[in-house]
Amino acid sequence: DQQVKQNSPSLSVQEGRISILNCDYTNSMFDYFLWYKKYPAEGPTFLISISSIKDKNEDGRFTVFLNKSAKHLSLHIVPSQPGDSAVYFCAAMNSGTYKYIFGTGTRLKVLA
Amino acid sequence: DGGITQSPKYLFRKEGQNVTLSCEQNLNHDAMYWYRQDPGQGLRLIYYSQIVNDFQKGDIAEGYSVSREKKESFPLTVTSAQKNPTAFYLCASSFLPGQRNYEQYFGPGTRLTVT
Repeated sequence: DQQVKQNSPSLSVQEGRISILNCDYTNSMFDYFLWYKKYPAEGPTFLISISSIKDKNEDGRFTVFLNKSAKHLSLHIVPSQPGDSAVYFCAAMNSGTYKYIFGTGTRLKVLA
Repeated sequence: DGGITQSPKYLFRKEGQNVTLSCEQNLNHDAMYWYRQDPGQGLRLIYYSQIVNDFQKGDIAEGYSVSREKKESFPLTVTSAQKNPTAFYLCASSFLPGQRNYEQYFGPGTRLTVT
């Protein structure tokens, strides 16, 4: 039973355009959500997070949107740059359990 | 420099041997985690610990063991009972919820190959 799903395994976007990565979850007890970026053979690096009491959080080119009623979050990257090419993981946690549940990742390719 | 270190980067073992992967952090984090990454399966939680001398099983703990004798260290032993041990192993740490932020910080990973 996968509680966090990233249904698009890959995404290609032209440089300068918007990249939208999506994530769905099933557990309504999740109260914190995070996005990570990962290059091959390296550990993930934190990008941006959002608490369940908010519906939007912005940090430079990265914005995360949370739709609690739909149990859906998305990461927007504007403008996309070739250096953004990586695998992006969304993660969700219930702050009462200390457990983070990760999605399967979406490979983003930004074309120059 | 604060961070998480994992050693070694690459590890090769023969089937039937136990192997221990090292994870050390100097971020003063209470919580530490071990994940396994396989192609197309994302990160799956093996074990986690919120405090010294205490740890909990994650989703795929069978064939693995851990210890948490020091706050800074959380070694993972892959035993011969683990049926498919070849994978990329990632260690992470974080503050506990409510202490500060919720971000997990990851080490560089260890690629274990068992033949």
